[in-house]
Formats: sequence, C-alpha cells, structure tokens
Amino acid sequence: AQKVTQAQTEISVVEKEDVTLDCVYETRDTTYYLFWYKQPPSGELVFLIRRNSFDEQNEISGRYSWNFQKSTSSFNFTITASQVVDSAVYFCALSEALRGSTLGRLYFGRGTQLTVWP
Amino acid sequence: DSGVTQTPKHLITATGQRVTLRCSPRSGDLSVYWYQQSLDQGLQFLIQYYNGEERAKGNILERFSAQQFPDLHSELNLSSLELGDSALYFCASGQGDRVTDTQYFGPGTRLTVL
Repeated sequence: AQKVTQAQTEISVVEKEDVTLDCVYETRDTTYYLFWYKQPPSGELVFLIRRNSFDEQNEISGRYSWNFQKSTSSFNFTITASQVVDSAVYFCALSEALRGSTLGRLYFGRGTQLTVWP
Repeated sequence: DSGVTQTPKHLITATGQRVTLRCSPRSGDLSVYWYQQSLDQGLQFLIQYYNGEERAKGNILERFSAQQFPDLHSELNLSSLELGDSALYFCASGQGDRVTDTQYFGPGTRLTVL
C-alpha cells in the first residue's frame, strides 16, 4: 500500500531563515511519482514539483530545492531565505502508474503548516 | 490560476439534503479527479473519470456519485448529507493518458452541513 508521512505538523521560522520540510513515503512499486503541493491560506492547492522515481537528480527552482533520496524513501523540500508569503500548508504526495501507462490517484501526506514570521 | 474551475465556492446546507458540485477541467485535459479534504481524514481520493468513463474509485461513499459529461465537465453528487460530510471538495484535472501527467487542482468547494 502507498503511504506518505509528513512527521512535522507545524513549523515556525523567522523571515530569511532556511527551512526543510520532510517527506517519507512507502510503496511496493518500482516506478512511482512524487509531488509537492502548496495550500496557501486562500485554500487552493498549487502544484510545485513532480519527481519520477527513476530520476534521482535534485532540483532547484529559485529559493526552492528538493532532495530525493531513494535509499531512504525521502523527498524533502527546502525553502531558502524564507519569506512571509511562503506561509502555507505544504503537502507531499505519491502516485503510481495505473495499468502501467497512466498516472493513478495521489496519496497525500497530512501536510506541514509552515508559518514564516516577519 | 490552474485553469480548473469549480462551482460553487461555498455551499451551506442541512443534514439529509442533496447537493451537486461542478467542475470544469483545464482546456485539453480529459481526466477529472475528485478529492475530499477534511480535518479527520486529510486529503482523500474519491473518484476519477477519463473521457466520460469511470477509471478509478477510492474512498467514495455510496451516498456519493459522480459523472463526467461529453463536454468533459464533471459533477459530484452528495446525497443524504451528514454533518461529517462537511469538508473541502477539490476537483483536479490532468491529461489522463500518460504517466508524465500532473494533476492541477481547482479552488475547491467548501461544503458545510448544518
């Protein structure tokens, strides 16, 4: 069964601090897909990044970076020099290939509430 | 803006009633997914449609049903509502025909059952 664990329920930092959000997943599939979504106070879910299990290259996008480690089944998300606008709930999600050719449902973690104080 | 639209944004109703939530996918997307977000259960997958056909089912109650119409918009019908059905209901859309797909979410419909 697929499972995503985000052990940090809430994190508070002061602006300009770096912060890492942890995500650990469980799956029996050899090929799977990992995602991060952001849910700001307005409530919508915003797609941030997608990572395929066969691509362990880390990714950086501006102040955001992602560290995928298959050996530890982790897909952690780091925000560098955090800003107040980064305050949101961040969700990690896992999906598998459905019938080998299409993307299946998303299995979400419980989310991490990040609060960035000015 | 993800390009996925959901209406209404808010819905307040009473126990025992029936409501319909509507979703229009992004242009070009053939697949629609419904998710429920509640404090108890978190974000849970309900059901997926692809080009009008049901493709996958998750933790969807028998009191709930959905369909996808020829113009690809989808409706989620919730009946015999209970207090515990109060939640944020999201629709997501994707191409639905490849593993390189990504699900983009609409703004959600917040349902309050009184």
